[in-house]
Amino acid sequence: AQSVTQPDIHITVSEGASLELRCNYSYGATPYLFWYVQSPGQGLQLLLKYFSGDTLVQGIKGFEAEFKRSQSSFNLRKPSVHWSDAAEYFCAVGAGGATNKLIFGTGTLLAVQP
Amino acid sequence: NAGVTQTPKFRILKIGQSMTLQCTQDMNHNYMYWYRQDPGMGLKLIYYSVGAGITDKGEVPNGYNVSRSTTEDFPLRLELAAPSQTSVYFCASSYPRSVGDQETQYFGPGTRLLVL
Repeated sequence: AQSVTQPDIHITVSEGASLELRCNYSYGATPYLFWYVQSPGQGLQLLLKYFSGDTLVQGIKGFEAEFKRSQSSFNLRKPSVHWSDAAEYFCAVGAGGATNKLIFGTGTLLAVQP
Repeated sequence: NAGVTQTPKFRILKIGQSMTLQCTQDMNHNYMYWYRQDPGMGLKLIYYSVGAGITDKGEVPNGYNVSRSTTEDFPLRLELAAPSQTSVYFCASSYPRSVGDQETQYFGPGTRLLVL
């Protein structure tokens, strides 16, 4: 069965510091991978996605993620964090198929210190 | 283009009451989904629909019902509210170009439900 693990429940970084959020997935075939961000009291916004091709994917707000098949990982990175990046981040895997369903990780809550 | 809209934004229910959470999308997406989000649990799929007149259960369907009479609307019904249904509910939609494709899901702003 497909699953997604986000090992870090809560991360705190200083403004201007670099960020890496971890995501590991379990899926038999080539996965479709997503990162969503949820600001407090808001819905989920797509940051970036990987379907195929270049394993380094660029997204909105200066985020990028790298697909590593050998490690079953899709970690999210940002070189310099801004206070407005404080939010909850969800990694998800899509199985395609007839349902287009997504399986979500449990999320990582990012706090940004001034 | 409003995207995915949900009403109400917040609701308090008493145990045993019923209510319908509304979801509408104006993107002509054929696929629609209902998720619930509980702290530390991520999002769990309740029901989904691949087109008008077609619905199916997700991971956590107990206590909920859905219908899909039009492409635009996908209401979620709670018949006998229980405290375990206290959660934030998100509706989403997508448009796979063909069967087997994966496409991005677009989310509404959510409905926060408290059952007392």
